[in-house]
Amino acid sequence: EVQLVETGGGLVQPGKSLKLTCATSGFTFSTAWMYWVRQSPEKRLEWIVRIKDKSHNYATDYVESVKGRFTISRDDSKSSVYLQMNSLKEEDTATYYCTTAFDYWGQGVIVTVSS
Amino acid sequence: DVVMTQTPVSLSLAIGQPASISCKSSQSLLGTSGKTFLNWILQRPGQSPKRLIYQVSKLYSEVPDRFSGSGSETEFTLKISRVEAEDLGVYYCWQGTHFPLTFGSGTKLEIK
Repeated sequence: EVQLVETGGGLVQPGKSLKLTCATSGFTFSTAWMYWVRQSPEKRLEWIVRIKDKSHNYATDYVESVKGRFTISRDDSKSSVYLQMNSLKEEDTATYYCTTAFDYWGQGVIVTVSS
Repeated sequence: DVVMTQTPVSLSLAIGQPASISCKSSQSLLGTSGKTFLNWILQRPGQSPKRLIYQVSKLYSEVPDRFSGSGSETEFTLKISRVEAEDLGVYYCWQGTHFPLTFGSGTKLEIK
């Protein structure tokens, strides 16, 4: 059974940092391209970042709104993908999902950016 | 960015009725590979999204055949031949042809 479990969410002040972890199992993680998608409180979905596999040099793509602030990484030995979020803004408040090219989704983790 | 426009915003249907959801893109979703990366997902209340259809009309193995997808270029449709109780939730189309990947704003299906 494919499982994706996100952790690391919480309440954080504007300008601070947070790191999300997505631990996976049940599929060949090392060859999977992994994505982070967020859902705003208004339920709008937004793709934010993708990381490819080793054979594609772990290439990454970011949506413009998070470029320079967010960094995706992965550890194939742990079947995990990470999202380092720096310089957080109130508009980053959302539920963050990791997903395998939108085939399988985690349960999501809530990030609230507020003073 | 490609804008995905879904209509209607909501649907209220009785069990057994057909449903139809439209998704229009601001650019053609036909890729250089000859494939069209228009997909549908369903988010049931309180749950994370689940996959339904990929490349316009291909159903994932676990998806009932009462669901179907059609369309080309910029206009796409998701149909449910006979709505069942488990179909309630919000349906989103999303495109994977152009970066950034973008989603429609969703269509909420309620059961009368």
